[in-house]
Amino acid sequence: AQKVTQAQTEISVVEKEDVTLDCVYETRDTTYYLFWYKQPPSGELVFLIRRNSFDEQNEISGRYSWNFQKSTSSFNFTITASQVVDSAVYFCALSEARAGGSYIPTFGRGTSLIVHP
Amino acid sequence: NAGVTQTPKFQVLKTGQSMTLQCAQDMNHEYMSWYRQDPGMGLRLIHYSVGAGITDQGEVPNGYNVSRSTTEDFPLRLLSAAPSQTSVYFCASSSTGSEQYFGPGTRLTVT
Repeated sequence: AQKVTQAQTEISVVEKEDVTLDCVYETRDTTYYLFWYKQPPSGELVFLIRRNSFDEQNEISGRYSWNFQKSTSSFNFTITASQVVDSAVYFCALSEARAGGSYIPTFGRGTSLIVHP
Repeated sequence: NAGVTQTPKFQVLKTGQSMTLQCAQDMNHEYMSWYRQDPGMGLRLIHYSVGAGITDQGEVPNGYNVSRSTTEDFPLRLLSAAPSQTSVYFCASSSTGSEQYFGPGTRLTVT
């Protein structure tokens, strides 16, 4: 079973629409970290946000917001008033203690967001 | 700070050839890792290291070797390249709980 599930393979919206990217994770640990990354067409991986398991506060950064719910093991990402520049592949990742205690993240398969003008 | 650097950016190999992908970081991070990215598969962990002299396998380690003799460097060796290893390879570094700092990637084609 995947530890990080991004069920939406591709989402297509028209500019100015709001869009939510879903992320469901699986862990038995009480201490873990969740991340979102953006990969624009140029290919680099851009860090967006980190959340630790003890901080369920939602976060807003400009047009971006994140909803972390431990009760449903979800860490969803919403873009408000989407723009063409938001077109990218978005990855959710989970970092939990591996054997030996290291924290190296496992990534979901990504959601490709296409924003049409 | 250069961050995480990877060389080469592009490489074409013939089946059976060997090569080393280089990765270096200048942030004194204890963790370094290699991922491969294939269409529809996300980023899959190949090998990782928690410090100089310590490495471990990720989810897809077969056909790859790593070593970490210094904190800064973490090369990935392909022993005998196969077409199935055609992919984009990303090196990353981090510390406990921090985000991954990724290199720019190496696009490898094996013919």
